[in-house]
Amino acid sequence: DTAVSQTPKYLVTQMGNDKSIKCEQNLGHDTMYWYKQDSKKFLKIMFSYNNKELIINETVPNRFSPKSPDKAHLNLHINSLELGDSAVYFCASSQTTNEKLFFGSGTQLSVL
Amino acid sequence: QQQVKQSPQSLIVQKGGISIINCAYENTAFDYFPWYQQFPGKGPALLIAIRPDVSEKKEGRFTISFNKSAKQFSLHIMDSQPGDSATYFCAASPFMRFGAGTRLTVKP
Repeated sequence: DTAVSQTPKYLVTQMGNDKSIKCEQNLGHDTMYWYKQDSKKFLKIMFSYNNKELIINETVPNRFSPKSPDKAHLNLHINSLELGDSAVYFCASSQTTNEKLFFGSGTQLSVL
Repeated sequence: QQQVKQSPQSLIVQKGGISIINCAYENTAFDYFPWYQQFPGKGPALLIAIRPDVSEKKEGRFTISFNKSAKQFSLHIMDSQPGDSATYFCAASPFMRFGAGTRLTVKP
């Protein structure tokens, strides 16, 4: 039973389109995150939610909108996709903001 | 700006050798320092972690050394194996901030 699952695994789309990535964790954790990993492998935090409340928004363009319908889910919606959005997006969760992260397997987004 | 600085960017060691990766941080509010291992096509996975009340933590072949006054910590991989070839990230928390990663290659 996968602890942190995200869908889809691959997403190929045209510039200007809108897309969503879904994430669910079954660990009972309070905190969830979205990270972006670029082609140089750098892992950059985008958002963090604690008990459905946004606690970090790391200067991400407002084309990116996270939504947390409940503690177990954190979805990412991206409007007007740009070439520079191409990356691997990882969802993660932790019990608190100061404990180990459990990562999903990533969503590889390719914007053409 | 990057809150956790990691070096080297890449590292090649022979099987059986010691791999050493270094990290430095500035923010004294950080109090949890994990290392993550990532294989191609997978998400990062926790390898070992330390809190600043100890200077060293060892788990099998993996050791973290922590120097609070210098705000530095390092990962040592003893008896490195080809299966250890992966990208390694140091991080600091709260709100896990990652270093830039080190691509380790262990040659047989």
